[in-house]
Amino acid sequence: GAVVSQHPSRVICKSGTSVKIECRSLDFQATTMFWYRQFPKQSLMLMATSNEGSKATYEQGVEKDKFLINHASLTLSTLTVTSAHPEDSSFYICSARPPSRQNTEAFFGQGTRLTVV
Amino acid sequence: KNQVEQSPQSLIILEGKNCTLQCNYTVSPFSNLRWYKQDTGRGPVSLTIMTFSENTKSNGRYTATLDADTKQSSLHITASQLSDSASYICVVSFRGGSQGNLIFGKGTKLSVKP
Repeated sequence: GAVVSQHPSRVICKSGTSVKIECRSLDFQATTMFWYRQFPKQSLMLMATSNEGSKATYEQGVEKDKFLINHASLTLSTLTVTSAHPEDSSFYICSARPPSRQNTEAFFGQGTRLTVV
Repeated sequence: KNQVEQSPQSLIILEGKNCTLQCNYTVSPFSNLRWYKQDTGRGPVSLTIMTFSENTKSNGRYTATLDADTKQSSLHITASQLSDSASYICVVSFRGGSQGNLIFGKGTKLSVKP
């Protein structure tokens, strides 16, 4: 099946620094990728939609200047958490769909546990 | 308001027993309903996807049902194994929408004990 790879799986950073998370579709091209955030015991919340070659679309309440998204190729999207603060500590997950499975199957990355100290 | 409600919030069962997880939704227009398994600290993995016309779908020991009239779904796990311990998430999507129109339930945390 289609595979979405996310890196790193865990990261600890100091408050005020920036952290980059990568999301790769390994065996298909994804013009659109999605970034979610999940707090403990909560459901996944969509943060933004990453569009290859164009600007990302952010959900209401998500700061675009804080969560920078770059979708420079058809297999890679990156999420950069800038000037991280402890409240940004969370589980970040990306997902993508193969073009042949639009509106059906969705594949998720392994997730990235971000801890800001 | 589009919502997906899951019950129970958590469940503990003994290895080898069966269990059923519930999902009620108020999502319109409905496109499909998915069940995912999420291990702790990992991304969700798809178990089943059902469209409006499908009433039941199986994937090994997992069987999902869908009643589009009452807007309810269930996930039945047969002969549970220790590796079934995880959170099970019900996800409903809008008809014709992009993946950005996915509504996630909070999940049911299942613990299978020896």
